[in-house]
Amino acid sequence: DADVTQTPRNRITKTGKRIMLECSQTKGHDRMYWYRQDPGLGLRLIYYSFDVKDINKGEISDGYSVSRQAQAKFSLSLESAIPNQTALYFCATSQGVSEQYFGPGTRLTVT
Amino acid sequence: GNSVTQMEGPVTLSEEAFLTINCTYTATGYPSLFWYVQYPGEGLQLLLKATKADDKGSNKGFEATYRKETTSFHLEKGSVQVSDSAVYFCALSVFTGGGNKLTFGTGTQLKVEL
Repeated sequence: DADVTQTPRNRITKTGKRIMLECSQTKGHDRMYWYRQDPGLGLRLIYYSFDVKDINKGEISDGYSVSRQAQAKFSLSLESAIPNQTALYFCATSQGVSEQYFGPGTRLTVT
Repeated sequence: GNSVTQMEGPVTLSEEAFLTINCTYTATGYPSLFWYVQYPGEGLQLLLKATKADDKGSNKGFEATYRKETTSFHLEKGSVQVSDSAVYFCALSVFTGGGNKLTFGTGTQLKVEL
């Protein structure tokens, strides 16, 4: 089984809808991250969490919120989806300052 | 602030050709440097890393040397294979009081043909 899983893998939603993307990890890592990937822009950090009680904004947090329900779970919410949030979303984990391990990604399309 | 600049792709090579993907960076402090690879339809995987100047990271025939004097971390492979076709991301991480965060380049797509 994969160490970092994301659900759903693909999602199409309409403008204005609320949507939640979920991430779970079995690596026992303390830190979790959410990124979005857009063509030609690489990966940009949305939110990150260094432990269950610690949530921090990344470089592009507007329009997003997160919840760290447990050490192993970190969800990303779009309260009111808009078309320019169409992207590939990745969750990642790390233990302390070690390298990050990525999930397989969620492809989100907002129409 | 921190930033990573990679050569634009796509880079198209014949099998067994020599590969170089250029990466330069700007950073406050002393960064660790990484190359990640993304195969089609998959997430990113760490390919190699270097944590201090003059370190050489290597994995699967790929190498990159941390050059502080030129702020570079170029990825090289002596003989590419079709299976190396993927997108390659250079990244840096600088430890601060709040921990480490990765800053990525825009990615370079590599296509290897027979």
